Amino acid sequence: GENVEQHPSTLSVQEGDSAVIKCTYSDSASNYFPWYKQELGKGPQLIIDIRSNVGEKKDQRIAVTLNKTAKHFSLHITETQPEDSAVYFCAASQVGYSTLTFGKGTMLLVSP
Amino acid sequence: DTGVSQDPRHKITKRGQNVTFRCDPISEHNRLYWYRQTLGQGPEFLTYFQNEAQLEKSRLLSDRFSAERPKGSFSTLEIQRTEQGDSAMYLCASSSVIGGGADYEQYFGPGTRLTVT
Repeated sequence: GENVEQHPSTLSVQEGDSAVIKCTYSDSASNYFPWYKQELGKGPQLIIDIRSNVGEKKDQRIAVTLNKTAKHFSLHITETQPEDSAVYFCAASQVGYSTLTFGKGTMLLVSP
Repeated sequence: DTGVSQDPRHKITKRGQNVTFRCDPISEHNRLYWYRQTLGQGPEFLTYFQNEAQLEKSRLLSDRFSAERPKGSFSTLEIQRTEQGDSAMYLCASSSVIGGGADYEQYFGPGTRLTVT
């Protein structure tokens, strides 16, 4: 089955800096890669996703890049704000399939 | 859209008791998923419904667990004879292709936190 590794486990940045979280996956058949943000006491919130037919996708301060050859994808947050502080999860799946396989999460702390 | 809702939000039970959780998906979403999340880990897939049919079950879903979605709308997850190892956050998600939605985009509810003492 699919295995997703996520790094780093914690990331501390100053407000305004950029943050990068990286994930690798094992199953070459995976073609859908979402990112979720989870705040304390809440469920995961889908913030951006990418399918394997594109290499990069942007949404305001958030971007995701995908390298299918190397089987890794990354989340980039620019101009970080304290409200970006949360746990971020990457996941992998196949379009038309049901199961999302998640990484173990990255706790992002943005200091004012 | 009011989002995915789950009830209760918290449940404390004694070992050996049965518990049942409810999930109401986003209106008209035909796919519904259950995941389990333990502290410091990502969600782990348990089971998935398309309409009322349970199409896939993880090996994590032991015989003590049962899920239903009788009318293709809300779903229940029951755990019988709870054990301390069942303590976790139980998350529900839904997705749909209706209305041009992408069936692979899963939207999560707030979860039910179960504590077994």
